[in-house]
Amino acid sequence: DAKTTQPNSMESNEEEPVHLPCNHSTISGTDYIHWYRQLPSQGPEYVIHGLTSNVNNRMASLAIAEDRKSSTLILHRATLRDAAVYYCILRDRNQGGKLIFGQGTELSVKP
Amino acid sequence: GAVVSQHPSRVICKSGTSVKIECRSLDFQATTMFWYRQFPKQSLMLMATSNEGSKATYEQGVEKDKFLINHASLTLSTLTVTSAHPEDSSFYICSASQDSVSYNEQFFGPGTRLTVL
Repeated sequence: DAKTTQPNSMESNEEEPVHLPCNHSTISGTDYIHWYRQLPSQGPEYVIHGLTSNVNNRMASLAIAEDRKSSTLILHRATLRDAAVYYCILRDRNQGGKLIFGQGTELSVKP
Repeated sequence: GAVVSQHPSRVICKSGTSVKIECRSLDFQATTMFWYRQFPKQSLMLMATSNEGSKATYEQGVEKDKFLINHASLTLSTLTVTSAHPEDSSFYICSASQDSVSYNEQFFGPGTRLTVL
């Protein structure tokens, strides 16, 4: 499985933008880039995904490097409810769609 | 979005007993369901993939005879931890997909916290 590298933790101030980086230098052409987040004692929650182009939805934006070897999840205005572990995952469509979680980035948001 | 439920949310059992955890997709048909385990302060570890009507596919190192998975319908999958021991205490989470196409999101259940005494 292709691997991703994320910082262990990041801090942000409330109502400021947050950029969460992810490196995936061994990404293959069949890998989609997915982001999930997990609040304490809950199941993960889908955030966003993309293949080659940048993506926006109501929760976040995903910026994908032109060579696809890295990506950045952008939370435009962090709130206290955004404090969670954020996982960047490469999902291979040839692997039955399963998600292999790495260690993720623990985001803390200060009021 | 689609909803996945798990039951029970938490269970405490004695060592040597078996525990069944249910995972249901409430408003969609899930052709594929996944089971994960998560220890404190660690990431999720995929245990197995189950497709409706067929045998589950287990990840390397997961004992299929200890963790029995049944996916009898398009809305229900069960995980049975047989002869549970304290080291099986963990947070068990299921997820469901409408298909196995990689650009569709997976919907996760809220998790089941198992404590084996």
